Amino acid sequence: DAGVIQSPRHEVTEMGQEVTLRCKPISGHDYLFWYRQTMMRGLELLIYFNNNVPIDDSGMPEDRFSAKMPNASFSTLKIQPSEPRDSAVYFCASNEQGSGYGYTFGSGTRLTVV
Amino acid sequence: AQSVTQLDSQVPVFEEAPVELRCNYSSSVSVYLFWYVQYPNQGLQLLLKYLSGSTLVESINGFEAEFNKSQTSFHLRKPSVHISDTAEYFCAVRNFGNEKLTFGTGTRLTIIP
Repeated sequence: DAGVIQSPRHEVTEMGQEVTLRCKPISGHDYLFWYRQTMMRGLELLIYFNNNVPIDDSGMPEDRFSAKMPNASFSTLKIQPSEPRDSAVYFCASNEQGSGYGYTFGSGTRLTVV
Repeated sequence: AQSVTQLDSQVPVFEEAPVELRCNYSSSVSVYLFWYVQYPNQGLQLLLKYLSGSTLVESINGFEAEFNKSQTSFHLRKPSVHISDTAEYFCAVRNFGNEKLTFGTGTRLTIIP
């Protein structure tokens, strides 16, 4: 398996633009998580899905952020409009319920909003 | 809700010296505990985990951690570090019956040649 795949690896955008981050989880994993990592706040859980259904989105910062999982092999995190304070590394991770193996993380998307 | 505290944000250690990275957790229920490692410009990788059974768990690269329920700790240790161990280390906790992982703020381990 290729692991959790995120795209793009790097994204530079201007303030006010829409940004879409993509994630392909490991096949067979039924949980998908979106995290944001910054120096100031560390790793923050934004939202997670179980069987494509959002379970907990309490970490989503505000209405500018939205996440979808239209099927078991794809998820998006969208920011519209983007702001400089959204600059961070965004990680996607997936897990199989009850496996006990912990999450498998993607390599992350480094977002810079200028 | 569960929480994790990593008191040391940075730990410098001489090569071949021992190291301990501290982790304490808080939860009202039984937990699973994890250590993840993040090398520069990479995602997090699972280093080791405690699910049940023996309270001492080991990784393939010489790290070990011991679950201490009375002290609610899961400290990470290595008897002799190498340059290649330079990375950021995250402790994480998950409650039984819940798939949500909560991470600590991380400890940056720097190995001094």
